[in-house]
Amino acid sequence: DVKVTQSSRYLVKRTGEKVFLECVQDMDHENMFWYRQDPGLGLRLIYFSYDVKMKEKGDIPEGYSVSREKKERFSLILESASTNQTSMYLCASSTGAGGWEKLFFGSGTQLSVL
Amino acid sequence: AQKVTQAQTEISVVEKEDVTLDCVYETRDTTYYLFWYKQPPSGELVFLIRRNSFDEQNEISGRYSWNFQKSTSSFNFTITASQVVDSAVYFCALSTRGNTPLVFGKGTRLSVIA
Repeated sequence: DVKVTQSSRYLVKRTGEKVFLECVQDMDHENMFWYRQDPGLGLRLIYFSYDVKMKEKGDIPEGYSVSREKKERFSLILESASTNQTSMYLCASSTGAGGWEKLFFGSGTQLSVL
Repeated sequence: AQKVTQAQTEISVVEKEDVTLDCVYETRDTTYYLFWYKQPPSGELVFLIRRNSFDEQNEISGRYSWNFQKSTSSFNFTITASQVVDSAVYFCALSTRGNTPLVFGKGTRLSVIA
């Protein structure tokens, strides 16, 4: 069965810490995405990547960076965590054929920044 | 610009009732794709359906049906004879031509009460 795996289901960090959220997919997908989900705001795109070592900013990239050194792994980095980054983070992947391909999602990481 | 509006924030129904989730989209492109995803309490978004802009046929899958109307820019989702397991957050999403990321609506939380 196809799978997108996020390393942690729940994470608690302190303000100012550097935080790494890891995502791995086993479907050989070209595209990978990071969204954050907040009540009343739905899913908002942070960063995405269409190929190894490539990255594109989404709608809300401020305060985040990403790394994609291998095709199957896409990491989201919070350089200096802040309380307004407390959120549910969702990773997704899709094939490279086009934006019409369906996304496969991980189970999410609920991050709390204290 | 692309936009998806799900005006219903929360809906509560009694089991076996029918319920319709509304989705209105905006795009200037003539080629686009519409999606519905379900997010159960476990957190992982699950793909339900994809429809392209050239196919206005309604679709039925078991208790689920979708009504796509280009004239009103709507892609509504109906659950017939709802069940408790249908309780989830449902997202409508839009993708235009090319490899552009999905734009999601803010979601509708459906609660089905036994």
